[in-house]
Amino acid sequence: ILNVEQSPQSLHVQEGDSTNFTCSFPSSNFYALHWYRWETAKSPEALFVMTLNGDEKKKGRISATLNTKEGYSYLYIKGSQPEDSATYLCASNNNAGNMLTFGGGTRLMVKP
Amino acid sequence: KAGVTQTPRYLIKTRGQQVTLSCSPISGHRSVSWYQQTPGQGLQFLFEYFSETQRNKGNFPGRFSGRQFSNSRSEMNVSTLELGDSALYLCASSSSGTGQETQYFGPGTRLLVL
Repeated sequence: ILNVEQSPQSLHVQEGDSTNFTCSFPSSNFYALHWYRWETAKSPEALFVMTLNGDEKKKGRISATLNTKEGYSYLYIKGSQPEDSATYLCASNNNAGNMLTFGGGTRLMVKP
Repeated sequence: KAGVTQTPRYLIKTRGQQVTLSCSPISGHRSVSWYQQTPGQGLQFLFEYFSETQRNKGNFPGRFSGRQFSNSRSEMNVSTLELGDSALYLCASSSSGTGQETQYFGPGTRLLVL
């Protein structure tokens, strides 16, 4: 059974602040790490799929890094905006196929 | 392309009844996965179907079952409903189900068991 942990559980920042969250996952049998953004009453939105140690991905003001040897990934948001307010989820899978194990999420609230 | 759709969006049932939820994947996607989200447990994997075959199964009792049709649409069934089955049920689809590609989620079906 995979144990995927995310920290912090919640975060309040001011508009314009940059922030980052952590996702830790078991490094054995690693296959892929997924990041999602989930706004209330909407579908989870895929941000990144990361597979290789040292991967860095970027989408606008959001970026992510991956360390498969030590089992962690960081998600960074530069210059947070109120519309970034959402729950950010990471999920790991350790086999071919779509069996994702999700962390508990980090709930981000950005104050204008 | 239309996104992943799920029906119904909301459902109220009573204990002991059974329920069937439906998921239509993005056109051309062959893999459909189901997840349960509860406040206490977060998002948990139920099962995955690929080309009409169950490929992976999570740690849920046999009351939870599913199937996939030749057009990739999938249904999940929960028999003998319990209060603890109240949850948001999400399905996700991906093109070839390799695990290293994006899974696209639907809006979910919110089930309330009374």
